[in-house]
Amino acid sequence: DIVMTQSPDSLAVSLGERVTINCKSSQSVLHSSDNKNYLAWYHQRPGQPPNLLIYWASTRESGVPDRFIGSGSGTDFTLTISRLQAEDVAVYYCQQYSSTPYTFGQGTKLEIK
Amino acid sequence: QVQLVDSGGGLVKPGGSLRLSCVASGFTVSDYYMSWVRQAPGKGLQWVSYISDSGSTIEYADSVRGRFTISRDSTKNSLFLQMNSLSAGDTALYYCTRGHWALNVWGQGAMVTVSS
Repeated sequence: DIVMTQSPDSLAVSLGERVTINCKSSQSVLHSSDNKNYLAWYHQRPGQPPNLLIYWASTRESGVPDRFIGSGSGTDFTLTISRLQAEDVAVYYCQQYSSTPYTFGQGTKLEIK
Repeated sequence: QVQLVDSGGGLVKPGGSLRLSCVASGFTVSDYYMSWVRQAPGKGLQWVSYISDSGSTIEYADSVRGRFTISRDSTKNSLFLQMNSLSAGDTALYYCTRGHWALNVWGQGAMVTVSS
């Protein structure tokens, strides 16, 4: 199984500041057949189901604000929120869909400082 | 409006069975891969199973293989998860989702509690 490890486990950031969340996979999720990274990012607000933010490591889902930026390749990935807004308080998860069982990171809890 | 509505959760004794249902609106279930993902109380997300758009490909997590069965009914535009031989480790909020790679539509979840 591919193990996904996120860092940090939690962080508190001031409104308007930049947020960086890291995700590392135990094996590469880059497929040479199509040169795509099989990685997604979600956030889960309290009491809500998860919401897809990014897929193919860097493609924003329709309707997701452009302050959410996904980057990285192979085994190392980053989700950046360029300017933190109050509604971004959530737990953030990365997920690999390179091979089954599809696996998620343990989550990163983002709070406002 | 694209929506998934999960139902069928409840309290069940160890060894018991439960069937979760998920009704889709705004899209046709048989046009998409569909998945189940669960979340134990206070924990992270765990992929459980998916079924392909054609229905010909089904996969399960090792922890549920042989006990859970995913299926769908095109006439009801619904997805199901039959869960047998339940144990305490299956206690979780079960989400029906659209897709099997990036999951772009989620139900609100159905809570399954396994306890004597």
